[in-house]
Amino acid sequence: QPVLTQSSSASASLGSSVKLTCTLSSGHSNYIIAWHQQQPGKAPRYLMKLEGSGSYNKGSGVPDRFSGSSSGADRYLTISNLQSEDEADYYCETWDSNTHGVFGGGTKLTVL
Amino acid sequence: EVQLVESGGGLIQPGGSLRLSCAASGFTVSSNYMSWVRQAPGKGLEWVSVIYSGGSTYYADSVKGRFTIFRDNSKNTLYLQMNSLRAEDTAVYYCARGTEPGIRDYWGQGTLVTVSS
Repeated sequence: QPVLTQSSSASASLGSSVKLTCTLSSGHSNYIIAWHQQQPGKAPRYLMKLEGSGSYNKGSGVPDRFSGSSSGADRYLTISNLQSEDEADYYCETWDSNTHGVFGGGTKLTVL
Repeated sequence: EVQLVESGGGLIQPGGSLRLSCAASGFTVSSNYMSWVRQAPGKGLEWVSVIYSGGSTYYADSVKGRFTIFRDNSKNTLYLQMNSLRAEDTAVYYCARGTEPGIRDYWGQGTLVTVSS
């Protein structure tokens, strides 16, 4: 089954950009993933669907500052012009016909 | 507007049963992939179960045989029947809608289940 690996933490300054990484396990490099944001004390929020080609489709109301890209088994979430409200946990997720749902461990983003 | 509202959580003793509900509005539950995802205190997200639009159901190994996902189309509501509850089932339970497998594009606010004596 696929495994998703994320760094446990990341930090960047207000107004700068940050690129978060989600890495798919061997044999699953072509898998589609989803990115979700979870602000402190809130429910997760869907950000986007991201394909291995780098094509992505964002959820309703997701700001233009959020974008996605891919390289091999790596899936990226880039946040530009960081705002204080971007401080949150970010999870990637994938699935297959056997697993149906797998989440990465999440990256805690701190905005300095 | 798509909305998901969970209810039914609470404090339950080990070995007990609980039924969670997720009332949906703004879309039809039976036409989408509907999931339950949980989050233990201070931990990450864990997928629990999914029901496909065609009715097929799937479960995480950790809950297989104890939890049952089902829906009531007349009430446009998703349910999770949880039996033989264990301390490790303590978590906030979220329901989520998916327009395709694994793409959960709307989430509810969650309901807390605490399993403790």
